[in-house]
Amino acid sequence: DVKVTQSSRYLVKRTGEKVFLECVQDMDHENMFWYRQDPGLGLRLIYFSYDVKMKEKGDIPEGYSVSREKKERFSLILESASTNQTSMYLCASKSPVGSGNTIYFGEGSWLTVV
Amino acid sequence: GQQLNQSPQSMFIQEGEDVSMNCTSSSIFNTWLWYKQDPGEGPVLLIALYKAGELTSNGRLTAQFGITRKDSFLNISASIPSDVGIYFCAGLPRGSGGSNYKLTFGKGTLLTVNP
Repeated sequence: DVKVTQSSRYLVKRTGEKVFLECVQDMDHENMFWYRQDPGLGLRLIYFSYDVKMKEKGDIPEGYSVSREKKERFSLILESASTNQTSMYLCASKSPVGSGNTIYFGEGSWLTVV
Repeated sequence: GQQLNQSPQSMFIQEGEDVSMNCTSSSIFNTWLWYKQDPGEGPVLLIALYKAGELTSNGRLTAQFGITRKDSFLNISASIPSDVGIYFCAGLPRGSGGSNYKLTFGKGTLLTVNP
């Protein structure tokens, strides 16, 4: 089974703090994603990465950056957290087209910015 | 980004009843995925569909990839209390490169099962 692990399940941070959300997958997938999920808005793509050191902006990249130094690890960075970034953050990885073309999610990270 | 039209938004049913939900899109998809999300948890993959017309089962769950490639449905038979949760559809488009990576989601169907 594919395992996508998010290192922090619950975080409380202060406005202006730098926040790191870490995600690791164990299936050697090239494609990884960060989403945020908010009531009434559904899942929105923040950034995705299709290879080591390669990244592309999703639909709502403002206020976020990402890092993909190793294939298995994709980090989401909030340079200066703000209260409107309070949300559930979901990491995902995608199997290749020839191996199922399926996306697997982590357990989620609940971030509260106060 | 684009959204899928998922319906119904919520359902309240009695234990033992069958449930049906569907998603439609104006775009063609190459892959349809169905997920279940429990409160406070990440979405868990239930069924993946890769071919137009494909009908796939996973226990009491059955899903179909619409023949037009623009819709999919999920059925749950003989519902039980642990079926409670939010069910999402998601589609991956045709195309290569960046466009193939972008999953489009429905807004979810909230299922409540009364024991």
